[in-house]
Amino acid sequence: DIQMTQSPSSLSASVGDRVTITCRASQTINSFLNWYQQKPGKVPKLLISAASSLQSGVPSRFSGSGSGTDFTLTISSLQPEDFATYYCQQSYSTPPTFGQGTRLEIK
Amino acid sequence: QVQLVESGGGLVKPGGSLRLSCAASGFSFSDYYMTWIRQAPGKGLEWLSYISPSSTNIYYADSVKGRFTISRDNARNSLYLQTNSLRAEDTAIYYCARDEGPGIQVWVFWGQGTLVTVSS
Repeated sequence: DIQMTQSPSSLSASVGDRVTITCRASQTINSFLNWYQQKPGKVPKLLISAASSLQSGVPSRFSGSGSGTDFTLTISSLQPEDFATYYCQQSYSTPPTFGQGTRLEIK
Repeated sequence: QVQLVESGGGLVKPGGSLRLSCAASGFSFSDYYMTWIRQAPGKGLEWLSYISPSSTNIYYADSVKGRFTISRDNARNSLYLQTNSLRAEDTAIYYCARDEGPGIQVWVFWGQGTLVTVSS
């Protein structure tokens, strides 16, 4: 199975900050990397697929990059509604696997 | 609009069984791969199983292989997960989700989840 490792596990930031979350795969996954946002008590929401393809309706302050084994999710200017937990997920091979999550908290 | 509604969760003793259901609407259910994913309290997401439209392709995570069985009834637009030999570590919210395409294990549409609690 492919292991996905996110860093950091948690992050404190302020509204307006630029934030970057990284995700590393244990082997190459080309660009088969997806990012989800989950707020407390809510269902995960797909933000970005194929490493950099923004889902419809997702604000443009979210962006993704990377290929191979190293990927990043960037939020260019944090908004209050962005405080949540973010998960990366590889869809390169079965079983699909998730990172452990990055909890983004208000400073 | 696409809707997925899970049911069947509850409190069960270790070693017990539950059958989870997922009722689908708003799309052509028989055309899509479907998936079960779970999330233990305060923990991350864990993929469990998928099933192809005709039920010919089925895959399980090692953590549930031999204990859980995925199935579907396309005539009823329903997905199922039979969970047997339940353990405390199976306590989680169980989500059904629609794959974005054949072999495309990306999930835009999720149900709200059903909580399974395994405790004596």
